[in-house]
Amino acid sequence: EPEVTQTPSHQVTQMGQEVILHCVPISNHLYFYWYRQILGQKVEFLVSFYNNEISEKSEIFDDQFSVERPDGSNFTLKIRSTKLEDSAMYFCASRGQMGSPLHFGNGTRLTVT
Amino acid sequence: RKEVEQDPGPFNVPEGATVAFNCTYSNSASQSFFWYRQDCRKEPKLLMSVYSSGNEDGRFTAQLNRASQYISLLIRDSKLSDSATYLCVVIPPNNNDMRFGAGTRLTVKP
Repeated sequence: EPEVTQTPSHQVTQMGQEVILHCVPISNHLYFYWYRQILGQKVEFLVSFYNNEISEKSEIFDDQFSVERPDGSNFTLKIRSTKLEDSAMYFCASRGQMGSPLHFGNGTRLTVT
Repeated sequence: RKEVEQDPGPFNVPEGATVAFNCTYSNSASQSFFWYRQDCRKEPKLLMSVYSSGNEDGRFTAQLNRASQYISLLIRDSKLSDSATYLCVVIPPNNNDMRFGAGTRLTVKP
């Protein structure tokens, strides 16, 4: 069964550094997402991406965040200057068409020290 | 009112018990509904879609009540392996994102 893959599984970075989280969505999917989950808290929507542009973003997704789909397969989340409160699990997800469910990657655990 | 609201629990039930969770949503024009399961420190995994007429998958039954704006999940004959957090997911009218409830924690005990 095709799956969403995320790398790395764990990223440790120092406050103020830039990080890029990588995702390869399922190949024939059209909608791409990033969510985050702070330990012990709910899954929070960050951004959705369709047709090579952001379709919606949450209030969490401020100017420090950006997404790219540089080559038609990868879907990256960049955090420009990480803060301690960015420490969380980041999940990438994709889906094929409107109304269909999301398929999640295994997540990247980001630890900002 | 939150977009998607769930009773956080925890629900602690013995093996073999029947347990039900509800989830309310605020946007009456919401399009699609799902239940996901999340194990500790793992990604959410689709448990089942929720159809207007209600649907069943083995021990799991999902129902949608559009008039009262809630969905439900019923688990019969619960197993130890059912212990997880159950997330309610709603797709709003813009269809561009999916909003998660905070999740309901279930622990099934022997």
